[in-house]
This record gives sequence, structure tokens and C-alpha cells, in this order.
Amino acid sequence: EAGVAQSPRYKIIEKRQSVAFWCNPISGHATLYWYQQILGQGPKLLIQFQNNGVVDDSQLPKDRFSAERLKGVDSTLKIQPAKLEDSAVYLCASSPSGTGHQPQHFGDGTRLSIL
Amino acid sequence: GQQVMQIPQYQHVQEGEDFTTYCNSSTTLSNIQWYKQRPGGHPVFLIQLVKSGEVKKQKRLTFQFGEAKKNSSLHITATQTTDVGTYFCAGKGAQKLVFGQGTRLTINP
Repeated sequence: EAGVAQSPRYKIIEKRQSVAFWCNPISGHATLYWYQQILGQGPKLLIQFQNNGVVDDSQLPKDRFSAERLKGVDSTLKIQPAKLEDSAVYLCASSPSGTGHQPQHFGDGTRLSIL
Repeated sequence: GQQVMQIPQYQHVQEGEDFTTYCNSSTTLSNIQWYKQRPGGHPVFLIQLVKSGEVKKQKRLTFQFGEAKKNSSLHITATQTTDVGTYFCAGKGAQKLVFGQGTRLTINP
């Protein structure tokens, strides 16, 4: 099966600019996750979708971050405006369900650098 | 909120030596998952433990889940250079899966 697809792989922007990331999960996976992974740390959940509904966005900085999964398949994550501390790898993952009892399949991530 | 801690943060071993990483949760877990992330790569699922006291083996890797379901360990016997990477535990408590900060393993050939 095809894996989780993410684009772009790398992005360099200046602070206060905006940026968007795209994710296409494994076909048939109802649950989609966006994680932020700062260098040397574990993935931190930003938002979890079940189909096209938000299950958990408690750690999403909503003043600057937004995400959508309009048709319950692919998803976009946006940052506007970016801050220096947003420099990280943004990982998308998917699983068949969101119970937390199934493996999560990760994409290659987008490495974001803020100048 | 739920916290998952891993020790050590870094471990450097000679090829052939054993390696162990420990994972501790602030709350009782319903299950724990382990992932491996190669340098420059993304986390890849290794295994899931569900039962209290459960032990699972994958070739040279042994995974344990504590009796109280608040801690877990991963032990690698006779490390090989292909074992290089960061090993993450992720614990599921009442709500979401929470990742530890990982243990980065480097190996001297």
C-alpha cells in the first residue's frame, strides 16, 4: 500500500510569513494526525481528525496555526504568521481509527526553517 | 496532563553490546507503543503492548510492559549498526497517545 504522502519536504521562510503543508493519508484511514517535532524531542500532537471532524486540537496554537480536512481525506496545516520557535519537522500520520490502539503510519515530514 | 518520560536521552555503545531504554508514565496506560526513527527519517511502528506484565520479542529486541502499566522497557541484545536511531515510546492514557522524548542510540562499529 502507498504510504502517507507529505509535501513539501523542505521549506524556508522568514518570520511573520505564512506557510502551508499538505498531507495525503493512507487510503481508507479515518484518522489523521499532525505532529510537531522539534529537534531532539518526541513528536507533539497538534491536531487529530476523525474523518473530517476535529477530535483533539488542545495543543494547537490557534492564534497562528490552522488545519482542515474538508473531505475527510487529505489535509492542510497552515501557519500564519510564523515565529522563530516554529522551526521544526511537521509530521503527518494516519491510522485506521483513532482509538490509540492501532499503529500510526507517518509520512516523511516537512522540515520548516524560519529565518 | 499525562507525561511520558524516557531515559536515557542518549546512549552510545560498542557494536555487540546490549542496550536498554526505559519509559515511565505519570498515569496508568491502556497500552504502549514503541517506534524507531532513523536519522533523517520518520517514526516507524515497532510493537504495541497491552497487557500488564506483557513481554514481546522481535529477534534481538525485547519489549516489556510493567505490572502497574505505568512503565515499559526496550532491550536490544548484541547491537548492530542497523540499530542506530532514536527509539520512542508512546503511551495511551485516558485520551490521546503521548510520545516520550526518545532515546538516541549511536553505535561504534
